[in-house]
Amino acid sequence: DQQVKQNSPSLSVQEGRISILNCDYTNSMFDYFLWYKKYPAEGPTFLISISSIKDKNEDGRFTVFLNKSAKHLSLHIVPSQPGDSAVYFCAASLMRQAGTALIFGKGTTLSVSS
Amino acid sequence: DTEVTQTPKHLVMGMTNKKSLKCEQHMGHRAMYWYKQKAKKPPELMFVYSYEKLSINESVPSRFSPECPNSSLLNLHLHALQPEDSALYLCASSLQGWTAREAFFGQGTRLTVV
Repeated sequence: DQQVKQNSPSLSVQEGRISILNCDYTNSMFDYFLWYKKYPAEGPTFLISISSIKDKNEDGRFTVFLNKSAKHLSLHIVPSQPGDSAVYFCAASLMRQAGTALIFGKGTTLSVSS
Repeated sequence: DTEVTQTPKHLVMGMTNKKSLKCEQHMGHRAMYWYKQKAKKPPELMFVYSYEKLSINESVPSRFSPECPNSSLLNLHLHALQPEDSALYLCASSLQGWTAREAFFGQGTRLTVV
């Protein structure tokens, strides 16, 4: 059963506009969330994170919002740039007794056109 | 230095071969991970090492054998693999602790089993 869901496989946005990528999760034990960006044949690159005690975290053009009651988070990219075109993975972190694991969603492919 | 280095970048091996994937980080991270990613799928956790001890094994077949010789190195020994094991193998590392969940990934090893 998928614990982290990214229901939109793809998103197309014009340069300069806002990109909003969404993520839902089912496990209420998740207490830390992260977004990664991935280009083909490369490893994921960490973008931004948020802990469950916050509802917003901002870093430059990237802002992550967390709605715990809805078990939903979103990544906002403003303004979007062509170089942002990549696959974006939402990940949730679970502190287990034996260690920490990241559970990834299936990803959303963002295409930013100029 | 936020780099995780994986070697080799590409590997083709026969089903009777024995090979090893290597991963190195010098960020002082005490948690290291192996993930497997198939095409158009999210990364899936295989193993977690915490302070050089195997802490999580996500029911990975024994033909995959991890090893953590020291806090900077992580190996994945491969033996008698099947063609369906062909995938991108990603190494990652992170600090330990509630507020330090960000995992940094290497570029991956693209493995093809023939």
